[in-house]
Amino acid sequence: GAGVSQSPRYKVAKRGQDVALRCDPISGHVSLFWYQQALGQGPEFLTYFQNEAQLDKSGLPSDRFFAERPEGSVSTLKIQRTQQEDSAVYLCASTTSPGSRVQYFGPGTRLTVT
Amino acid sequence: AQKITQTQPGMFVQEKEAVTLDCTYDTSDPSYGLFWYKQPSSGEMIFLIYQGSYDQQNATEGRYSLNFQKARKSANLVISASQLGDSAMYFCAMREALGAGSYQLTFGKGTKLSVIP
Repeated sequence: GAGVSQSPRYKVAKRGQDVALRCDPISGHVSLFWYQQALGQGPEFLTYFQNEAQLDKSGLPSDRFFAERPEGSVSTLKIQRTQQEDSAVYLCASTTSPGSRVQYFGPGTRLTVT
Repeated sequence: AQKITQTQPGMFVQEKEAVTLDCTYDTSDPSYGLFWYKQPSSGEMIFLIYQGSYDQQNATEGRYSLNFQKARKSANLVISASQLGDSAMYFCAMREALGAGSYQLTFGKGTKLSVIP
């Protein structure tokens, strides 16, 4: 079956540009997570959705980061006025329900800000 | 705050041999869960194995087993009979409660495993 998909897989942005990263979770999965993985590090939590509700955004590094999931399926992570420190892989994960044990990850979007 | 420590940046293992990847954790919660994920060069995080803090036995999944030593706060991953396809980054993670009954994952820095033919 189809897993979590993300697009684009690679994105190069000039400093100051806005970018939008898309996540398609596994069909029917209620919970959706975004993580940021800097080079040589483990992923770090950014934000969490349960259906269309954003229940936790404590990991978003600044107000330039914004995420939405308007219909409770596809999610978009938007970064405004990108900075070089935003360069990272952005991973999306989903689970069937809030208490589910295993998070299923997509392949990530590698963002490079020049 | 919870913390995961992986002290081995890189490991080498001969094909068909066993290898142990180290993970120690720190938490004050009596109930917690520990995970191991594999990240090949393609980038996707692949779930390998889970251990709950109250589980009586060490978790096993095929060639993967978790050497869980609660008193020492360690959760080492053992891969038996290594294969060339096991070459990847391996991350230890702990779940941390969010609101509404869900959990985020807190990851270590990872260990790069290279399997030698």
